[in-house]
Amino acid sequence: AQSVAQPEDQVNVAEGNPLTVKCTYSVSGNPYLFWYVQYPNRGLQFLLKYITGDNLVKGSYGFEAEFNKSQTSFHLKKPSALVSDSALYFCAVRVYNQGGKLIFGQGTELSVKP
Amino acid sequence: KAGVTQTPRYLIKTRGQQVTLSCSPISGHRSVSWYQQTPGQGLQFLFEYFSETQRNKGNFPGRFSGRQFSNSRSEMNVSTLELGDSALYLCASSPGQKNTGELFFGEGSRLTVL
Repeated sequence: AQSVAQPEDQVNVAEGNPLTVKCTYSVSGNPYLFWYVQYPNRGLQFLLKYITGDNLVKGSYGFEAEFNKSQTSFHLKKPSALVSDSALYFCAVRVYNQGGKLIFGQGTELSVKP
Repeated sequence: KAGVTQTPRYLIKTRGQQVTLSCSPISGHRSVSWYQQTPGQGLQFLFEYFSETQRNKGNFPGRFSGRQFSNSRSEMNVSTLELGDSALYLCASSPGQKNTGELFFGEGSRLTVL
């Protein structure tokens, strides 16, 4: 069965410090992986995706993610956190041959303090 | 280019009633997916429509149904509402038949069942 795990419910970072939000996955076949961010009472905003190619993927707002096939991980990173990065982050995997179905992790609340 | 539009944004119903939520995808997008978001269960896939046909379905009871119109707009209906149906319902659209890219989400419809 396809699944996504985000092992941390919450991540706390000081502004200006690097941040990492962790994600591991389990899929059959090649994974299509995504990161989304959700601000309070809003929908999900797409940050970045890995389909194929370079293991380091760059996305919106200075975020990047590293695909690691051997560790089945797709951690989200940013070199210097901003207070405005505080939000709920979701990792997701697209289910092979099932069109628009994404399986989401449970989400990680990122809190960036000044 | 307008984004995904969901209406209504907020609604309150009582147990036993039914509700219809509407979603207008990004112009040119033919696939519409629906997700339920709750604090306890996270983001769960309801169903996906492509060219007016249900392409995928999640593990929800038959009280949850949907449809898609020829202009790609979609509606979902929940009948005989239960307290546990209180959630944020998110609609997402994507362009084509072979979806390997990201989904574009609306702001959601927040349903409260009293």
